[in-house]
Amino acid sequence: EIVLTQSPGTLSLSPGERATLSCRASQSVSSNYLAWYQQKPGQAPRLLIYGASSRATGIPDSFSGSGSGTDFTLTISRLEPEDFAVYYCQQYGSSPVTFGQGTKLEIK
Amino acid sequence: EVQLVQSGAEVKKPGESLKISCKGSGYSFTTYWIGWVRQMPGKGLEWMGIIYPGDSDTRYSPSFQGQVTISADKSISTAYLQWSSLKASDTAMYYCARRSRGYCSSTSCHLDYWGQGTLVTVSS
Repeated sequence: EIVLTQSPGTLSLSPGERATLSCRASQSVSSNYLAWYQQKPGQAPRLLIYGASSRATGIPDSFSGSGSGTDFTLTISRLEPEDFAVYYCQQYGSSPVTFGQGTKLEIK
Repeated sequence: EVQLVQSGAEVKKPGESLKISCKGSGYSFTTYWIGWVRQMPGKGLEWMGIIYPGDSDTRYSPSFQGQVTISADKSISTAYLQWSSLKASDTAMYYCARRSRGYCSSTSCHLDYWGQGTLVTVSS
């Protein structure tokens, strides 16, 4: 199975700053079948990005995804207070589907 | 509006059985796969398996094969996750989620709508 490793484990930033989250796969993710989710405390995950770079419905353009093969990035261009949460990547190009371990984005 | 509404929190003893549910509405329930995801306390997301309610085709993650059973009743737009004999290590939040039909691989896809989660606590 494909192992996804997210880094950093925790990212401490201030509102207004730019956040860059990484997701590295143990083998190539076919056709960039990679998604990103946001999870806030006590809530279900929410889809942000699919196909590595396509924003889901209703997701602001401050969120962007990029990458291919084994290296993927989620960028939040300018952090809002509500963006502080845990972010997970998921690959769905190979079975079984796998998730990264998550990156916690916290307020500095 | 697409909604997945899960059954309420459960407290069970080791060895007991359990079936939790996920009711879909606002879309054609029989034409979208429904997946289940486990989140143990303070941990990340784990893929358990998925079912196509239209014909009950079911696929399990190797880690959960034989440990749980996924089923669906399309007449009431509801998917289920069940255990025959719970263990303390089954204590977790369980989410159902709809598999999208957008940019998808031949075997899976991203998850576009999620239920609110069902907390299962197993303790003697």
